[in-house]
Amino acid sequence: DAGVIQSPRHEVTEMGQEVTLRCKPISGHDYLFWYRQTMMRGLELLIYFNNNVPIDDSGMPEDRFSAKMPNASFSTLKIQPSEPRDSAVYFCASRRQGAANYGYTFGSGTRLTVV
Amino acid sequence: DQQVKQNSPSLSVQEGRISILNCDYTNSMFDYFLWYKKYPAEGPTFLISISSIKDKNEDGRFTVFLNKSAKHLSLHIVPSQPGDSAVYFCAASGGSNYKLTFGKGTLLTVNP
Repeated sequence: DAGVIQSPRHEVTEMGQEVTLRCKPISGHDYLFWYRQTMMRGLELLIYFNNNVPIDDSGMPEDRFSAKMPNASFSTLKIQPSEPRDSAVYFCASRRQGAANYGYTFGSGTRLTVV
Repeated sequence: DQQVKQNSPSLSVQEGRISILNCDYTNSMFDYFLWYKKYPAEGPTFLISISSIKDKNEDGRFTVFLNKSAKHLSLHIVPSQPGDSAVYFCAASGGSNYKLTFGKGTLLTVNP
């Protein structure tokens, strides 16, 4: 199994530009989560999906952020327009309903820098 | 407001000694607790977990203790090894949802 795959690994963009982060969950996993890691706030849950349906987006910071999951094998997190305070590492994670230990599998993350 | 708190940003121990990482939580609805380990440039990986019906869970060198009355859990690593050097995140979940709430993490450095 290839694990959770995120792309790109690094993204540097200018303020005001649109940024799209991508995630491919593990096949057969029916939950997908987007987290953001910063020094100040640690790991924050932004949004999660169950069977491709958004369940809780209360962590999405503002309307500039949107996430979609058009099918079971792909999700995107979009920031438009991007701002310097969006600089962080964004993680995608997935898990299978009924799996033991609540164990999420995380991707390696996308390090976003907005200048 | 942080519902899961790791008050020590960093911890340094000698190889072979015990490492103790602490975590406090405020939400009484949390009933499942986990520890994740994170190396640089990688995603967090699951380490060990404990249900609120237990007060201890052990897996090899790693033991998690839960004190529900104090809303406190700790991770003990014995003996500590240089390869254990990483950021450790405490996480909690409650009810029927699958959300995990994480602490800010503690950077553990194990010196040879």
